[in-house]
Amino acid sequence: EADIYQTPRYLVIGTGKKITLECSQTMGHDKMYWYQQDPGMELHLIHYSYGVNSTEKGDLSSESTVSRIRTEHFPLTLESARPSHTSQYLCASSGPRDHTGELFFGEGSRLTVL
Amino acid sequence: QKEVEQDPGPLSVPEGAIVSLNCTYSNSAFQYFMWYRQYSRKGPELLMYTYSSGNKEDGRFTAQVDKSSKYISLFIRDSQPSDSATYLCAMSYAGNNRKLIWGLGTSLAVNP
Repeated sequence: EADIYQTPRYLVIGTGKKITLECSQTMGHDKMYWYQQDPGMELHLIHYSYGVNSTEKGDLSSESTVSRIRTEHFPLTLESARPSHTSQYLCASSGPRDHTGELFFGEGSRLTVL
Repeated sequence: QKEVEQDPGPLSVPEGAIVSLNCTYSNSAFQYFMWYRQYSRKGPELLMYTYSSGNKEDGRFTAQVDKSSKYISLFIRDSQPSDSATYLCAMSYAGNNRKLIWGLGTSLAVNP
């Protein structure tokens, strides 16, 4: 069973607030991902990390930032949230079976910005 | 045109039915083909993956890839209410998760 955890699961905040979505995995995976999932839309990669101190932006432009100081931890930060940031954010990791397309997802953080 | 097309449904079937879920794609360079299942308010989980063409079976699930037609399918036999979920197809060019291309997902409801 996958061991990847996201907090908070649900967050409702006002415009202009700074938020951090936490993601942790206990599988020792080097590669971690942040996806955005909106109703009626495909999953879109917004951030990717190869390992500690290695991050890059994904295919979908995002105003969020990420850091990877520890292997197990990959937080996502929005400095000033706006209603357009309302979405479901999914964190994932992949390990030795990476070539099969196997991603382990967390349960998601649903963000609503008022 | 999207690289991967998937009918979002919803699809509603009676318990015990055979379910067929499909995706079409445009890029012949795709090599790895995945099916993920996502329950409501959960993250997706990998159900099956197939490399290149052919069939793969796992219990009640069968994945098929037809590269000549650029078409992939997931069959569910003897469907159960617990199969009610959204099924997402995904593909990659070189077995690298950095380049996964996702379908919209098909919402399936299996009615008792």
